[in-house]
Amino acid sequence: AQKITQTQPGMFVQEKEAVTLDCTYDTSDQSYGLFWYKQPSSGEMIFLIYQGSYDEQNATEGRYSLNFQKARKSANLVISASQLGDSAMYFCAMKADSWGKLQFGAGTQVVVTP
Amino acid sequence: DTAVSQTPKYLVTQMGNDKSIKCEQNLGHDTMYWYKQDSKKFLKIMFSYNNKELIINETVPNRFSPKSPDKAHLNLHINSLELGDSAVYFCASSQGAGVAYEQYFGPGTRLTVT
Repeated sequence: AQKITQTQPGMFVQEKEAVTLDCTYDTSDQSYGLFWYKQPSSGEMIFLIYQGSYDEQNATEGRYSLNFQKARKSANLVISASQLGDSAMYFCAMKADSWGKLQFGAGTQVVVTP
Repeated sequence: DTAVSQTPKYLVTQMGNDKSIKCEQNLGHDTMYWYKQDSKKFLKIMFSYNNKELIINETVPNRFSPKSPDKAHLNLHINSLELGDSAVYFCASSQGAGVAYEQYFGPGTRLTVT
């Protein structure tokens, strides 16, 4: 069975600092995709970054990078130089079956303080 | 030029009523989804259609019935609404059903059953 675990329910970070959001996953499939989404208080779900299981390089998108450690089955999101607008709920998700479902973790609430 | 749109954004109704939520995507994607986000922010897939064909049908009460008249539209009809149906419902779409395709979400429909 597939499982996504986000162990940090919430965290505070100061503006301009970097923050790492933890995500571990469990699957027996060799081919899978890992995704991070952001949900601000306004409610929309915003796609941030994708990492494929066969990708050798860590994915990066602007201030977002994904620290992918395949052997440890972890896919942590790093946000560099945090901004007030980064305050949101962040979800890690995994898809391990082409016809299967995108499975979400419980989310981590991030609050960026001035 | 909204990519994935949903109507209505808010829906307040009484127990026992029947309601529908509409979803449209203008991204030219082949795959569409319905998700339910509960009060604890947990996101769970309900249904998925690929090229108008149902490919995911999670353990959802049969009071919920999706309909995909074409690739760009996926509607959700709910019969005999119950208090427990109160949640935010998200529509999403992706280019395909494979593990590498990110999903783009609509703004959500907040359903309140009284």
